Amino acid sequence: AQKVTQAQTEISVVEKEDVTLDCVYETRDTTYYLFWYKQPPSGELVFLIRRNSFDEQNEISGRYSWNFQKSTSSFNFTITASQVVDSAVYFCALSEAGGSEKLVFGKGMKLTVNP
Amino acid sequence: GAGVSQSPSNKVTEKGKDVELRCDPISGHTALYWYRQRLGQGLEFLIYFQGNSAPDKSGLPSDRFSAERTGESVSTLTIQRTQQEDSAVYLCASSFKLGVGNQPQHFGDGTRLSIL
Repeated sequence: AQKVTQAQTEISVVEKEDVTLDCVYETRDTTYYLFWYKQPPSGELVFLIRRNSFDEQNEISGRYSWNFQKSTSSFNFTITASQVVDSAVYFCALSEAGGSEKLVFGKGMKLTVNP
Repeated sequence: GAGVSQSPSNKVTEKGKDVELRCDPISGHTALYWYRQRLGQGLEFLIYFQGNSAPDKSGLPSDRFSAERTGESVSTLTIQRTQQEDSAVYLCASSFKLGVGNQPQHFGDGTRLSIL
């Protein structure tokens, strides 16, 4: 069975602080994909990143970085020097290869960045 | 259109009525998904279409829920005899299905359904 756990439900930081969003997943498959999506107050889910299970290299995109560790089944997301526009709900999701490739989502983590 | 389009954006209806929600995916995307997001929760998978067929309906919560897709394009999610627990945001997503490498799903803005 697939499962994604985002233990933090809500975090509040002050602008320019760094913040890390935790994601732990469970799957029996050896080939799978991990995703992060952002849901701003407007409601639309915005795709941020996709990672496959064979690629454990960390990735950096501007102020965003992702740390994938198979040994701990984690795929954590760090925002450096947070900005007010980063305020949103962030979802981690898992998709197994083959079949429907449906996404299994965590419950989301609400990030509030205060000026 | 450029993105996934869903209509209506909001729907308020009385308990027991039937509702139809529409999704227009990104042109050329063969895979189409419906998800449900209850207040304060993550998204729950409902159904997956590849072309016009639905090989995975495992997330539909009851036989009151059904969906179809025509012309490998527009999809309609129908909820019959609505109940208050059906109140949620219903999100549609589409993606390329290449057979290798799960492609990102792109989401519409959703339909917010409220059952009175």
